[in-house]
Amino acid sequence: EVQLVESGGGLVQPGGSLRLSCTASGFIISHYNMNWVRQAPGKGLEWGSYMGAGGTLYYPDSVKGRFTLSRDNAKNSLYLEMNSLRAEDTAVYYCARISGTEVRYWGQGALVIVSS
Amino acid sequence: DIVMTQSPLSLPVTPGEPASISCRPSQSLLHSDGYNYVDWYLQKPGLAPQLLIYLASNRASGVPDRFSGSGSGTDFTLRISSVEAEDVGVYYCMQALQTPSFGQGTKLEIK
Repeated sequence: EVQLVESGGGLVQPGGSLRLSCTASGFIISHYNMNWVRQAPGKGLEWGSYMGAGGTLYYPDSVKGRFTLSRDNAKNSLYLEMNSLRAEDTAVYYCARISGTEVRYWGQGALVIVSS
Repeated sequence: DIVMTQSPLSLPVTPGEPASISCRPSQSLLHSDGYNYVDWYLQKPGLAPQLLIYLASNRASGVPDRFSGSGSGTDFTLRISSVEAEDVGVYYCMQALQTPSFGQGTKLEIK
């Protein structure tokens, strides 16, 4: 059974850092394109930082230079290092597996709150 | 960037009645391979989104057949033939032709 489990969310002050983890089971994470879709409180979905199976990286302008994706194949995990956090980064971050052109599997989400 | 515009944004429906949601992208989503790169997702309250429809008209595994997707180019529709109480939530269309983007969401509620 395919599962994605996020961890690492929490409360952080503006300008601070946080690292989210996404641990996969039921499939090999390096074989798939992955994304961190985020959702601000009461708002819609936003396509986020992306790592292709081959290692291609994409960051939306809103996080470029502040967020960094990495992958640990031995742990079958994806990581999102978030630095210089801003209030507008407050959101639920969903780890998502892309199959073809669609997101077939989602994690339960990790809540990140940036506030003083 | 492709902008996805959904309507309506709020959709009150009586159980047993049909419902439809429109999604209009700012440019055609028809790929050279003949497929329209649009998906539909439902986010039930407090949960992660779930895939309903992919490539405009293909129902995802386990999705009831009361859900259907149609359309091409710049005009897409999600239809529910007979709404049930468990269908409440926010419906999103998403384009995958370029860097993916979502519509604003349509909140379906039971009357």
